[in-house]
Amino acid sequence: EVQLVESGGGLVEPGGSLRLSCAASGFTFSSHWMHWVRQAPGKGLEWVSHITPDGSIANYADSVKGRFSVSRDNAKNTLYLQMNSLRSKDTAVYYCVRQISSGGDCGQGTLVTVSS
Amino acid sequence: EIVLTQSPGTLSLSPGERATLSCRASQYVNNNQLAWYQQRPGQAPRILIYGVSTRATGIPDRFSGSGSGTDFTLTISRLEPEDFAVYYCLHYVGSPNSFGQGTRLDIK
Repeated sequence: EVQLVESGGGLVEPGGSLRLSCAASGFTFSSHWMHWVRQAPGKGLEWVSHITPDGSIANYADSVKGRFSVSRDNAKNTLYLQMNSLRSKDTAVYYCVRQISSGGDCGQGTLVTVSS
Repeated sequence: EIVLTQSPGTLSLSPGERATLSCRASQYVNNNQLAWYQQRPGQAPRILIYGVSTRATGIPDRFSGSGSGTDFTLTISRLEPEDFAVYYCLHYVGSPNSFGQGTRLDIK
């Protein structure tokens, strides 16, 4: 069974940093693209970033480019999202998502709140 | 950058009826890289369809996807009470990827 468990969310002040993690199991993590998707309170889904299976290529939404960085540790079956220079608009539930063409499973999400 | 526009914004139907949801892309979607997600209140998104028409594991066959190029459709043949939710299309061609703004399916 595919499992994706996000962690690392919490309350952070504007301008601060946070690192999210996503622990994956139930599939060959090192063979899959992985995505981060977020949802602000009361809003729709927003694609944030994705990374290739070997971690060599990552892409970002314009709204986070230059501030967020995605990485992975295939030995630990873990995906990361380093978030810097956080803004109030980054307040959202963040989900990790498995490669869409292999099933596109989502985790349960972790809440990030950016507020003073 | 591909922009996805979903219609209608809200659809009000009764259980047992057929639902047709539309997703239109601003550019051609290559390699059929278009998916549909369902999100119930308070829950994480759940994938229904990927590759335009392939049902994800465990998804009932009342859900079907179709389309090509720039026009895509999610059809729910006979609505069950648990199907009333918000539906999003997603393209995963190149970068950036993007979601449509969603269609809310309400009970009439």
